[in-house]
Amino acid sequence: DAGVTQSPTHLIKTRGQQVTLRCSPKSGHDTVSWYQQALGQGPQFIFQYYEEEERQRGNFPDRFSGHQFPNYSSELNVNALLLGDSALYLCASSQVTLYGYTFGSGTRLTVV
Amino acid sequence: KQEVTQIPAALSVPEGENLVLNCSFTDSAIYNLQWFRQDPGKGLTSLLLIQSSQREQTSGRLNASLDKSSGRSTLYIAASQPGDSATYLCAPGDSGNTPLVFGKGTRLSVIA
Repeated sequence: DAGVTQSPTHLIKTRGQQVTLRCSPKSGHDTVSWYQQALGQGPQFIFQYYEEEERQRGNFPDRFSGHQFPNYSSELNVNALLLGDSALYLCASSQVTLYGYTFGSGTRLTVV
Repeated sequence: KQEVTQIPAALSVPEGENLVLNCSFTDSAIYNLQWFRQDPGKGLTSLLLIQSSQREQTSGRLNASLDKSSGRSTLYIAASQPGDSATYLCAPGDSGNTPLVFGKGTRLSVIA
């Protein structure tokens, strides 16, 4: 049973560029949440997708956007990258009627 | 707004020692609490999920307790091993797909 899969594992972008990160949820899960984790900090909630709609959003600017596809996979897009966007981006999947989250291995984004 | 504090921030112990990690949260109206392990630069691995109706959960050498009324949870690790070295994060959860709130975690080093 595959867990949560994220791609790519690492990438380096230049300030002002745009980036897309991808996530495939655990089999049987229908909800995808994205978190940003800066070095030495706990993960911070960005937003959550369910039934192809953004259901909840944390305190992140509109430069952060996302999408969920009919197969429940999801993308996180960040526009106009800033140096401060450098972080580990984590995807977590869950099932709306069950408790507990499963996290992926993350994507390390470095903005130079 | 839920806030999570984990004490201590860092802990170094000799192999074989039993240890306790502490987690406190400000909003006791939770449905569950999840403990995670994170290796450097990696994603989160779920260790234990305690439902609000439970007081304890055990998995191997790990035992987690939950006291909702006081806003506290503890993770007990018995007979620690060097492979237990990681950052441990707790996250209280509300119903269904409410986003998780994390503290900064406890960084554990077990010395052989």
